[in-house]
Amino acid sequence: DSGVTQTPKHLITATGQRVTLRCSPRSGDLSVYWYQQSLDQGLQFLIQYYNGEERAKGNILERFSAQQFPDLHSELNLSSLELGDSALYFCASSVVSSGAENTIYFGEGSWLTVV
Amino acid sequence: GNSVTQMEGPVTLSEEAFLTINCTYTATGYPSLFWYVQYPGEGLQLLLKATKADDKGSNKGFEATYRKETTSFHLEKGSVQVSDSAVYFCALSDYMNSGGYQKVTFGIGTKLQVIP
Repeated sequence: DSGVTQTPKHLITATGQRVTLRCSPRSGDLSVYWYQQSLDQGLQFLIQYYNGEERAKGNILERFSAQQFPDLHSELNLSSLELGDSALYFCASSVVSSGAENTIYFGEGSWLTVV
Repeated sequence: GNSVTQMEGPVTLSEEAFLTINCTYTATGYPSLFWYVQYPGEGLQLLLKATKADDKGSNKGFEATYRKETTSFHLEKGSVQVSDSAVYFCALSDYMNSGGYQKVTFGIGTKLQVIP
């Protein structure tokens, strides 16, 4: 158990709909990362937050948005869903001191299936 | 920018065979290097890491040495087991002073299949 909690674990929804994925980081971790993993594109970095502020943005679509709340949990919102959005979405967290050596801990992921 | 190049799989080995999964990187600054493992149906778990040149990370019989001169961090295990079947990701972490954040770059992942 990494200490990173993601909900829901599985989600099936229709095209055009909107879903929210939730993540609780490890206790004490201030930084949250979101990744998308699909069969054909591997592990794609979406976005990163540190203590409530966006720090880095990767290959995140405009239909997707995220935020980190004062209690440090984070939500990833996916809207106008398309079949190609079907994937495993991971949240990860780290302590992030001013260095590169911090381990990033991953949750078990949220399986999204768009039908 | 930073990048990680990892050998594509799948890699299929017989039980007790020697394993090498190659990983090379490009980076500015002084990155840390990681290997993560993803078992079927699970999230990524840290396998081992090295934070400076010539450091050797090791765990569960796996080893990798941070080679700055060859910009490599190859994963090795002397004798693989069926239970080692998983996807292995090489990753590089760098601290971005300008933005005050840790940037992590992953390789594409290498699927390992170990057959009895």
